[in-house]
Amino acid sequence: NAGVTQTPKFRVLKTGQSMTLLCAQDMNHEYMYWYRQDPGMGLRLIHYSVGEGTTAKGEVPDGYNVSRLKKQNFLLGLESAAPSQTSVYFCASRQTGASGDEQYFGPGTRLTVT
Amino acid sequence: AQKVTQAQTEISVVEKEDVTLDCVYETRDTTYYLFWYKQPPSGELVFLIRRNSFDEQNEISGRYSWNFQKSTSSFNFTITASQVVDSAVYFCALSETLPPSGTASKLTFGTGTRLQVTL
Repeated sequence: NAGVTQTPKFRVLKTGQSMTLLCAQDMNHEYMYWYRQDPGMGLRLIHYSVGEGTTAKGEVPDGYNVSRLKKQNFLLGLESAAPSQTSVYFCASRQTGASGDEQYFGPGTRLTVT
Repeated sequence: AQKVTQAQTEISVVEKEDVTLDCVYETRDTTYYLFWYKQPPSGELVFLIRRNSFDEQNEISGRYSWNFQKSTSSFNFTITASQVVDSAVYFCALSETLPPSGTASKLTFGTGTRLQVTL
């Protein structure tokens, strides 16, 4: 099993460009999450999904959109990138009903917006 | 709102020293989980431990040990005989139930403690 994978690993965008980050998990997990990590701020939740076809906002959703068309994939979109979105993005997944609330994290995507 | 505080921004120790990383949390949930993650220089998040709020037993895993005290809302992490490979940023996290489902949850992270172990 690959666990949680993220594509791409690195990306540089110019202000105003758009892109999509792909997260894939092969553990048949229901819940998926997108976090961003900024220096000195820990990880903050952007959006999450409790199942295929459902998404919800986290604590910092502005400027991002998400889609969960397939259970194993969770896409994070930036329609018009801004320098404030320079960050490391982590995807995570969790199985519903699993004891312990443990989330499995992907390796991260480092995004720079110039 | 839930909160996790890691007051130590950065700690430097010499190899073989013991070091304790502090974590204090705030929550209104009666059932919750606490976590520690390690983030080495390579950047990935490595799961270290999960603790249920009903289980206050301390845990030891090799050189790592965790002290959970509900009375003081603390979940401290001790590395005994530290090694250079322990150099990393360590995050404490708290699970939080997300409305309206009542079943989904997110992790609230502290800001992390950077541990530098030198020879």
